[in-house]
Amino acid sequence: GQQVMQIPQYQHVQEGEDFTTYCNSSTTLSNIQWYKQRPGGHPVFLIQLVKSGEVKKQKRLTFQFGEAKKNSSLHITATQTTDVGTYFCAISSGSARQLTFGSGTQLTVLP
Amino acid sequence: KAGVTQTPRYLIKTRGQQVTLSCSPISGHRSVSWYQQTPGQGLQFLFEYFSETQRNKGNFPGRFSGRQFSNSRSEMNVSTLELGDSALYLCASSLRVAGGMYNEQFFGPGTRLTVL
Repeated sequence: GQQVMQIPQYQHVQEGEDFTTYCNSSTTLSNIQWYKQRPGGHPVFLIQLVKSGEVKKQKRLTFQFGEAKKNSSLHITATQTTDVGTYFCAISSGSARQLTFGSGTQLTVLP
Repeated sequence: KAGVTQTPRYLIKTRGQQVTLSCSPISGHRSVSWYQQTPGQGLQFLFEYFSETQRNKGNFPGRFSGRQFSNSRSEMNVSTLELGDSALYLCASSLRVAGGMYNEQFFGPGTRLTVL
């Protein structure tokens, strides 16, 4: 089945620094979703990207879908302690009605 | 609108036993998916149910099964438990659009299963 590689696995930043996590696939994706899971919590949907080269913003979060629809990134500007958690990308493709999650990037924000 | 609920929240079983987990989706959501989350394997898709039928299945042994009722509530069952089945089991519901792509998943709080 389809797989997606997510890097980095861990990221520690000082509060106020920026953060980026990347997801890469060897095959063309129909869409990609991003989720955030707080420590001890459950994944919460952030956004879905569908179009080639799409860029979406949610306050300090910027999501991008590559031109070839094989990669995506999530960028957080000026991190805050509330950004702590694990960020996952998730893919589905074609008629496969199942989500394959990346391994996640665990973000720690140091005050 | 109430969120996805899962019961029980915590469960301790011993090897060889079986377990049944329950999930109530958001009202109006007819698609229910189950995921297993472990530190080593991450989030892995188990299966999806829609209109009381299993529509998709992940790469798990037959010991993992599920069902969905007419009110969209779903249960998953794991028989002959193994130590490696210890995990957080997450249920997610979504609005399923015929022929459409996968919609956002609304996750429940999960059931933490420990197998001793």
